[in-house]
Amino acid sequence: GAVVSQHPSWVICKSGTSVKIECRSLDFQATTMFWYRQFPKQSLMLMATSNEGSKATYEQGVEKDKFLINHASLTLSTLTVTSAHPEDSSFYICSAVFLATSYNEQFFGPGTRLTVL
Amino acid sequence: KNQVEQSPQSLIILEGKNCTLQCNYTVSPFSNLRWYKQDTGRGPVSLTIMTFSENTKSNGRYTATLDADTKQSSLHITASQLSDSASYICVVSAKRAGANNLFFGTGTRLTVIP
Repeated sequence: GAVVSQHPSWVICKSGTSVKIECRSLDFQATTMFWYRQFPKQSLMLMATSNEGSKATYEQGVEKDKFLINHASLTLSTLTVTSAHPEDSSFYICSAVFLATSYNEQFFGPGTRLTVL
Repeated sequence: KNQVEQSPQSLIILEGKNCTLQCNYTVSPFSNLRWYKQDTGRGPVSLTIMTFSENTKSNGRYTATLDADTKQSSLHITASQLSDSASYICVVSAKRAGANNLFFGTGTRLTVIP
C-alpha cells in the first residue's frame, strides 16, 4: 500500500529557532500534499495545501511566513516552522494524495511531535 | 455549514465486547465517508471508505455502515482487542474541485480494558 513517512518523528527546540519537517511519499508520486496540526484531544486541522512546483495554499488564520512550505519534488514536501514559540508546540501530520486510487485517497504520515521550550 | 459530529466522545469497553461508534454529518455535496483509526502519537490509518451507493463495508472486525439519506454512519467493532484502543475519526469528503475537501470529526477515543 501507499506509504507516507515523516522526519523527524519528534523534535524539541528552543524558542526562536526554526524547525524543518519532511514529508515523503515512499512508493508513489504525490502532486498534492497536505499539512495538518493536531492539538491534544482535538481533531486534525488543515494548515495548508502543498502543490508540487507551485506555492502552497494556506488556510485562513495560518501565517504563511511562519509556516514555510516547499514541495520541490513529487515525493517530498517540507514544512519549516520559523522562529518557533511554545504555542507552536503541536503534532504535525502530513498527507499525500494517491491519484491512482478511485477515491483520490489521502495517506497520512505518522506525524511529528514538536515541542518548543 | 459543513460539519461532522461523532459520538460518544470517549468509550471504555471490556476486551472481547462489541461496540458501535456514531458519525453524523452535514457535508454537501457528499462524495465519500471514511473511518480512520489513529493510535496515540501516530497518523491516521484508513479503515473503510464508502461512497453514496455503499451502505456497508467491512475490514476484518470493523464494519462501517452509511445511511446517505439521514447522513449518518456507524463503525461497529466486533470482539474488541486491547490493540483497538485508539481514536476513531470519521472524515467526510465533499465533491469539490481544487483544495482539500475533507471534513474531520473530533473523534471517539476508545479504550479497551482487559
